[in-house]
This record gives sequence, C-alpha cells and structure tokens, in this order.
Amino acid sequence: DAKTTQPNSMESNEEEPVHLPCNHSTISGTDYIHWYRQLPSQGPEYVIHGLTSNVNNRMASLAIAEDRKSSTLILHRATLRDAAVYYCILRDIVRRRDDKIIFGKGTRLHILP
Amino acid sequence: DTEVTQTPKHLVMGMTNKKSLKCEQHMGHRAMYWYKQKAKKPPELMFVYSYEKLSINESVPSRFSPECPNSSLLNLHLHALQPEDSALYLCASSQDKQAGSEAFFGQGTRLTVV
Repeated sequence: DAKTTQPNSMESNEEEPVHLPCNHSTISGTDYIHWYRQLPSQGPEYVIHGLTSNVNNRMASLAIAEDRKSSTLILHRATLRDAAVYYCILRDIVRRRDDKIIFGKGTRLHILP
Repeated sequence: DTEVTQTPKHLVMGMTNKKSLKCEQHMGHRAMYWYKQKAKKPPELMFVYSYEKLSINESVPSRFSPECPNSSLLNLHLHALQPEDSALYLCASSQDKQAGSEAFFGQGTRLTVV
C-alpha cells in the first residue's frame, strides 16, 4: 500500500489560514487522496478528497501537486473548533476487493486563540 | 440520515464476560468497517465487510468475532478479552467500497476490560 508522510504536529493562530502538507511519493495512478480529521473524543470525519485536480468544499480546499507526490489541505480561516488530528489517506480505486482505509499517524493541529 | 450509530457508548466488561458492540447505518452503504483505537494512536483496521460478507480480517484474534446480519447492521462479539483490548472501537461505512466515496464513522464504543 502507498504510504503517506505528515508532520507530527502544527500550530496556527485563530482566524488565519492553515496549510497541512502530506507527502505520498509512491502514489499510484489509481489512488485517490482523502483527508479525514478526528476531533477530541469523536470518531474521524471526512474532510475532502481528490484525484488530480484541486478541490474545494465548504470545509477546506485540497491542493494536489502536478506530479501527485504531495498534497496540501488548506483551512482558509482556522477556528478553535478546527483543533484536531488530520489524516491524509490514499485509497486505490482499482483494488475494490481490498478497500482498506488505512490511517497513518496524522498531524495534530493546535489552534492558538 | 448520514449517521453511523454505535451502541453502547461505554462498556466495562470482565475477562470472562461475553458482550457485543453494535453499529447501525441507514445510508444504503454496502461496505462496513471495524477499527480499534488506542489513546493517542491512529485507528487500526480490524475487519471489512462488503455486501454483508467478510472481505478483510487484519489478523485479528478470534476473541473478536464480527457479524453482519443485514446491510444496515454490524456487530462485534467479544469473548475472553484481555485488559490490553481496552480501547475505543470505531465503526465506519462507505458506499460500495468506491475509493472516491467518503466513509462515515460512528462516535465509537469506549471499552474497558477489567
């Protein structure tokens, strides 16, 4: 399975943009890039996903490098409620029989008031 | 309804007890998952069900026994657990295992084995 690498932790000030990086240098052409986050004492929640093009939704934006070996999750204006562990996950669209959603260590995001 | 509901929220059991965790979703999802999460660690995949059939068992000890009685329900039967099995157990579902589709997670069952 293709692996992802994320910084262990990051800090940001409230109301400022946050850029969370993810490296996935062994990504295959059939891997989607998914982001989930886990707030304290809650189950993980979906944030965004993409394949090749940049994506936007109400929660965040996903910027994907042209060679797809890295991506960045962008929170445009962080609030205290965005403090969570953010996971970057690759999911293979071809290997349907083995659809494992595998979590790496993730990035713990701290928001400073 | 975009919820995955897990019951109970908390469970304390002895090492000789038999108990079950329950997970329910009504989104028509055909893939369902069990995860185990220890404190300060990422969730670890245990089992995957696809169309009510077990498709992945990540070498989980037999004291954990999953069951999918229908497309909306997923159970995890527990027997003769050890204290180190104490953890948060998470259930998730997604539509037809398509990698482009999002997975929905429940809030988990916090299990303590005494």
